[in-house]
Amino acid sequence: EADIYQTPRYLVIGTGKKITLECSQTMGHDKMYWYQQDPGMELHLIHYSYGVNSTEKGDLSSESTVSRIRTEHFPLTLESARPSHTSQYLCASSDLVESSRQYFGPGTRLTVT
Amino acid sequence: GNSVTQMEGPVTLSEEAFLTINCTYTATGYPSLFWYVQYPGEGLQLLLKATKADDKGSNKGFEATYRKETTSFHLEKGSVQVSDSAVYFCALSTGGFKTIFGAGTRLFVKA
Repeated sequence: EADIYQTPRYLVIGTGKKITLECSQTMGHDKMYWYQQDPGMELHLIHYSYGVNSTEKGDLSSESTVSRIRTEHFPLTLESARPSHTSQYLCASSDLVESSRQYFGPGTRLTVT
Repeated sequence: GNSVTQMEGPVTLSEEAFLTINCTYTATGYPSLFWYVQYPGEGLQLLLKATKADDKGSNKGFEATYRKETTSFHLEKGSVQVSDSAVYFCALSTGGFKTIFGAGTRLFVKA
């Protein structure tokens, strides 16, 4: 249904490594989001973007950073991964017209050992 | 502030049973209301939505009615299948940037 992609789907990495989680959408949506989903399933907004060169922090404080150089691409970077970063990360997008509906990618499950 | 409260899970049902997952909300203004579903190993996908009071959203046999007087948007299905096993999220949006999600309700359907 939705053309929004995340890679990798699963990642196991050691403490201290730098990682980038990729998110791309082909729908031309201006708004993009990153959520962290904890084992209890609850979603926490950690970053969002209104468009190119726009990034904002979400409700949950996160040590990750994001960039939005192209409309279709919204990568999330952790400079130094820690076990506390172990989680599921979901990327989403929405357009300006129907901005309240969000389209989600399949998620990246990150494990930091 | 805006918030969504949905019933805690897990909910375990036998196939063909009736399903209700309760959702109530608090919001200023006139929010749009949504149900999203997350199947194992996947992201969320929109199941149904309603944008104004008394609207009924429906999809795949699921229904929910926007009740402004009770600030509720309960999800129902008359006969669940094993393939309905998933996590269900109630959500609201006031047309601004953010969508407020409930904590999710896990549904298990036994054959």
